Amino acid sequence: QSALTQPASVSGSPGQSITISCTGTSSDVGSYNLVSWYQQHPGKGPKLMIYEDNKRPSGVSNRFSGSKSGNTASLTISGLQAEDEADYYCCSYARSSLSWVFGGGTTLTVL
Amino acid sequence: EVQLVESGGGLVQPGGSLRLSCAASGFTFSTYWMSWVRQAPGKGLEWVANIKEDGSERYHVDSLKGRFTISRDNTKSSLYLQMDSLRAEDTAVYYCATHHNNRFDYWGQGTLVTVSS
Repeated sequence: QSALTQPASVSGSPGQSITISCTGTSSDVGSYNLVSWYQQHPGKGPKLMIYEDNKRPSGVSNRFSGSKSGNTASLTISGLQAEDEADYYCCSYARSSLSWVFGGGTTLTVL
Repeated sequence: EVQLVESGGGLVQPGGSLRLSCAASGFTFSTYWMSWVRQAPGKGLEWVANIKEDGSERYHVDSLKGRFTISRDNTKSSLYLQMDSLRAEDTAVYYCATHHNNRFDYWGQGTLVTVSS
């Protein structure tokens, strides 16, 4: 069982928007502004998409945005494109275990 | 261009040892924290360990303490993971990643470790 809870799958049609949630506790997601999100295509290494809850690295499309409320962080992808189909993972620092914890991952299907 | 290339994976028997390496290029390796993250087949990501720029601090996930050890050689721009007393549940793809400013900026393609008799 992963430390952070994500839905197993989400889907959307091209052009639509989807949101993936990531629920933790007051000891991890709710404690720090350190939630990051990663995209992983099959057979590839993950790619950083969002860091510090809502910041986008250089080169990442502005269709990707992050937010957080309490112990739940969210990744929103607007204007869905076929290339967005991938697995997405959230991550946070956990002060209770002094470690970095990931969510179980969410598979995004673009219909 | 940042490149991280892992090597050293393979098939090992339960109880055996393996040393993974990660060759870094395209950035100043000695100024970055680094991490190992693993992914069991069909499963999610699991942080394994990280190490400070100069190697003076290192942290391992509690469940692996005593069996896995992270290290680095800044003169060779290389990161290592020594894995001892391997178990079937350690079977995974092991990724090396830069771990700077509390985020995993860049990742390698991974190296597969299979623990089986």
